[in-house]
Amino acid sequence: DIVMTQSPDSLAVSLGERATINCKSSQRILYSSNKNNYLAWYQQKPGQPPKLLIYWASTRESGVPDRFRGSGSATDFTLTISNLQAEDVAVYYCQQYYSTPYTFGQGTKLEIK
Amino acid sequence: EVQLVESGGGLVKPGGSLRLSCAASGFTFSNAWMSWVRQAPGKGLEWVGRIKSKSDGGAADYGTPVKGRFIISRDDSRNMLYLQMNSLKTGDTAVYYCTTDGRVDFWGQGTLVTVSS
Repeated sequence: DIVMTQSPDSLAVSLGERATINCKSSQRILYSSNKNNYLAWYQQKPGQPPKLLIYWASTRESGVPDRFRGSGSATDFTLTISNLQAEDVAVYYCQQYYSTPYTFGQGTKLEIK
Repeated sequence: EVQLVESGGGLVKPGGSLRLSCAASGFTFSNAWMSWVRQAPGKGLEWVGRIKSKSDGGAADYGTPVKGRFIISRDDSRNMLYLQMNSLKTGDTAVYYCTTDGRVDFWGQGTLVTVSS
């Protein structure tokens, strides 16, 4: 199974500042034939199902503010949230969908400092 | 608008069985590969398994913790997805989400399964 490891487990960032969450996969999740990284990012607020933010490692889902940016390739990925807003408080998960069993990172809890 | 509505959760004793259902609408269900994802209370997300569309063979595959105990099936005539859970353990306690496969564009609201004596 591909293991997804996020860092940090939690972080506190001031309003208007930048938050950076890292995700590392135990195997490459870059499919060579189409050059796509099979990596998604989700945001989950309390009492709600997760919401897809980013797929193919860097493509924003429709309606997601451009403050959210995904980057990285192969085994190392980053979610960057610029100009942090109060509504960004949530737990963020990365997920590989390169091969089953699809696996998620353990989650990163983002709070306001 | 895509909708996924889970039902069937509840309290069950260890060793018992439960069947979850998911009613899908707003997309061509018969063409979709579908998955179940679960989340234990206060914990992270765990992929349970998925089923391919019948046109792609209809096979299901499962995560290691549930292999041999859980069965995913579908009824395309009713746009329904099912999760039959057998030999339940306390560690299966979670909210179970019906989702589209792969990267999850759409999630249901989830149904809570509690396994406890």
